[in-house]
Amino acid sequence: KAGVTQTPRYLIKTRGQQVTLSCSPISGHRSVSWYQQTPGQGLQFLFEYFSETQRNKGNFPGRFSGRQFSNSRSEMNVSTLELGDSALYLCASSLDRNSPLHFGNGTRLTVT
Amino acid sequence: LAKTTQPISMDSYEGQEVNITCSHNNIATNDYITWYQQFPSQGPRFIIQGYKTKVTNEVASLFIPADRKSSTLSLPRVSLSDTAVYYCLVGDGGFQKLVFGTGTRLLVSP
Repeated sequence: KAGVTQTPRYLIKTRGQQVTLSCSPISGHRSVSWYQQTPGQGLQFLFEYFSETQRNKGNFPGRFSGRQFSNSRSEMNVSTLELGDSALYLCASSLDRNSPLHFGNGTRLTVT
Repeated sequence: LAKTTQPISMDSYEGQEVNITCSHNNIATNDYITWYQQFPSQGPRFIIQGYKTKVTNEVASLFIPADRKSSTLSLPRVSLSDTAVYYCLVGDGGFQKLVFGTGTRLLVSP
């Protein structure tokens, strides 16, 4: 079974631009969640989608948004990029609420 | 929030058993305990999950005492490839409550 796939692996953007990251979950997994990982803050939860609906949201500004499609694939968008948005963005999928999370290898975003 | 506390780092040698303990004093009744391993520039990888007592799989064991306020990940006979950061996660599937701690950086030496 293929794992969680995230594209692109690396991105370089400038301040003020916007970016869209993509995540393809494991086949059959309907829950997709997103995380931001930085050296200073560690792994932080952004939001979770289940059956195309945002079910949970972390404590991030509205510049961070996402969506999930009918095939469970998910996208995350960050608008008006700031230098502090430079991070590894991780996507994870899971079968149900108490099932383990399966992570992709992330998208490394650098904002200059 | 079920905050977790782990040692920042641990050192070991190849072939030894490594035990990493995680404290989660305010764990809720419905919370599960899950451990992940992360290598640089990769996403965390699931190791083991448990609710109480002991769980064992092909790579690790998880010990959870009766009060569930802590848990211990046990890695038997570690190798150099076990050098990674290990995270303890406590939650009930409600993602707003998921908090990854700072993790434990394990260094295995020859």
